[in-house]
Formats: sequence, C-alpha cells, structure tokens
Amino acid sequence: DVKVTQSSRYLVKRTGEKVFLECVQDMDHENMFWYRQDPGLGLRLIYFSYDVKMKEKGDIPEGYSVSREKKERFSLILESASTNQTSMYLCASTRVLGATEAFFGQGTRLTVV
Amino acid sequence: AQSVAQPEDQVNVAEGNPLTVKCTYSVSGNPYLFWYVQYPNRGLQFLLKYITGDNLVKGSYGFEAEFNKSQTSFHLKKPSALVSDSALYFCAVRVVYNNNDMRFGAGTRLTVKP
Repeated sequence: DVKVTQSSRYLVKRTGEKVFLECVQDMDHENMFWYRQDPGLGLRLIYFSYDVKMKEKGDIPEGYSVSREKKERFSLILESASTNQTSMYLCASTRVLGATEAFFGQGTRLTVV
Repeated sequence: AQSVAQPEDQVNVAEGNPLTVKCTYSVSGNPYLFWYVQYPNRGLQFLLKYITGDNLVKGSYGFEAEFNKSQTSFHLKKPSALVSDSALYFCAVRVVYNNNDMRFGAGTRLTVKP
C-alpha cells in the first residue's frame, strides 16, 4: 500500500519557534509538495520539489523554507513561527508525469500560540 | 499560471437524489483534471481524473465527471447520493507542459441528508 507519512498529526508551538514538518513517501516519486489548507481558501501551494535539492516557490512561500536532501523526504521549515501560520499542512507526492494523481499525507494541524 | 474555481462553498442534497459539484479551470495549454475527496481530519483521496479522450470519466464510489472544453468545466456527478458521500471535495488541475505544478480549488462541502 502506497504511503505518504507526515511526522505529526498535531503540533502546538510558540511564536518565534523554529518548526520542522517532515514528510516521507515510499513510492519513489520525483515530485513532492507542501500545501496549507484554510477554510474557504482551499489548498494553497507553499513549495514544491521535482528532484533532490531542487525546489520552487508556490503561491505563498513567505515565512517558509524547504529541504529535500533525499528523494523520499521533503521537509517544511517555519523559520520563526507566527500565529498566522496556524493551519492544516498537507504533504503530497506524484510521479513526474503530469497525468498521474497525487498521494497525500494525513495532514499536520499546527497551532502557533 | 493555471487556476481552478469551485463556485459553490456548499452543496446540499437529499439521499437518493443526483448530485453535482461544479468546477471550472483556467490554463494555458491542455489540462489534466482531477477530483479529490477529503473526510474529516484526513488527507485528500483521489477520486478520478481526465487526461484525454472520452469526456465522461468514471471513478471511485460511483462518481463520474464530465469534461467540457468549450466551457472549461469539469463537474463531478453522481446519479444517487449517499449519506456517506458527505465530505469536502476538491478539483485540481495540472498542465501538460508543466508537470510539476498542481493547483486546487477552494473546495466544496457536500452534505447529503437522509
């Protein structure tokens, strides 16, 4: 069974903390994505990566960075967490071919207090 | 850049009635179109996709979607709704020339009442 696994389901962090969200996939997919999901706004793309050490900004990269040192792992980093980064974060992966569907992790609900 | 619009935040139907969840898209080039479903506190699950060919696509759990190029739409349909279909539905688009990008609509909450 294919899997995308996010390291935490729920996180509570303090303002100003550095936060790491980890995502691992076991399907040897080239592409990996980080989205945040907010009510009424749907999924907004933060960053994506199409290869190891390669990354591209999505629609809302401000306040975030990413790391992809290995093909199976894609990390989202909040350099200095703020309350407006309280959200549901979803990781996804796909093969490089555009016609293939994405597989999603279960999500991480982050609360910044 | 490509984009997706889901014009309805909420769709309510009675069990046994047909349902439609609407999606329109904007891309430069040929699209790949997808529908995903999200149950509470879960990630998204793939339902169906349009790549090319037949405009009517069939997917999981009895859902189907119709691709209409002239109207740039990809509406999700089901002939007879179930209470268990109640969930959040997302339309998504990728473009043929830019395989690495994937954009989603804002989502439509479907509620099926018994």
